[in-house]
Amino acid sequence: GENVGLHLPTLSVQEGDNSIINCAYSNSASDYFIWYKQESGKGPQFIIDIRSNMDKRQGQRVTVLLNKTVKHLSLQIAATQPGDSAVYFCAENSAGNQFYFGTGTSLTVIP
Amino acid sequence: GAGVSQSPRYKVAKRGQDVALRCDPISGHVSLFWYQQALGQGPEFLTYFQNEAQLDKSGLPSDRFFAERPEGSVSTLKIQRTQQEDSAVYLCASSPREGWYGYTFGSGTRLTVV
Repeated sequence: GENVGLHLPTLSVQEGDNSIINCAYSNSASDYFIWYKQESGKGPQFIIDIRSNMDKRQGQRVTVLLNKTVKHLSLQIAATQPGDSAVYFCAENSAGNQFYFGTGTSLTVIP
Repeated sequence: GAGVSQSPRYKVAKRGQDVALRCDPISGHVSLFWYQQALGQGPEFLTYFQNEAQLDKSGLPSDRFFAERPEGSVSTLKIQRTQQEDSAVYLCASSPREGWYGYTFGSGTRLTVV
C-alpha cells in the first residue's frame, strides 16, 4: 500500500495555543488529501480536505497546507481547545475508491 | 438513522469462531466501505460496494473474510475461523454518491479474538 506517515506520534499543547500536525506521503500521484479527527470509541470524522492543485485551504480554525515538492501535508489548528484532543490522521487518494491513512498523531490539549 | 450504525459495538470471539459484523449505512447512500483499524494504527481499506455490487475487495486480507450487501443497503462483514491477528476495530463508511466523496464513518465494531 501507500506509505502515508506522520512525523510526530504525540503532541501536547496548551489550551489557546496553535497546533501543527504533520504528515508525509510517498505517492507523488496522490491528488486528494483529507484530515480526519478520531476521538476514542468513535469513527474518523472529516475535518478538512485539499486537492493537489492547491497548496493551502482554510476552514473554521483549521488550515491545511500541502507541499507537493517534498510530499508533505500539515494541519494547523488555531486556538486549540480541550475538545480538539483526539488522534488526527491524514489520508490520501490517488485513484480508485480507497484512502490510505497514516498512523496518526495523538493531540492532547492541556487546560 | 442519522448516521452510519454498526453492531455489535464490541465482540469477543474465541479463536476459530466465525463472526458477523453488521453495518447500517445512512439511508439512500449508494457507496459503502469497510476498513480495518488495528490498535494504534490508521484504518486500512478492506472492500467497497456500490449498491449491491462489490466493486473492490482488494483489501480483504484472506479468504476467511467475506462481505456482502445483498439489497444494496445493510452490509455484513463475515470473518471465518477467527485468529488473533483479526483483533481490530472494523469501520464502515457510506457515501451518497458513487465512490468515496463525502463519506461518513460509523463508530466501528471492536473485535477481540481470544
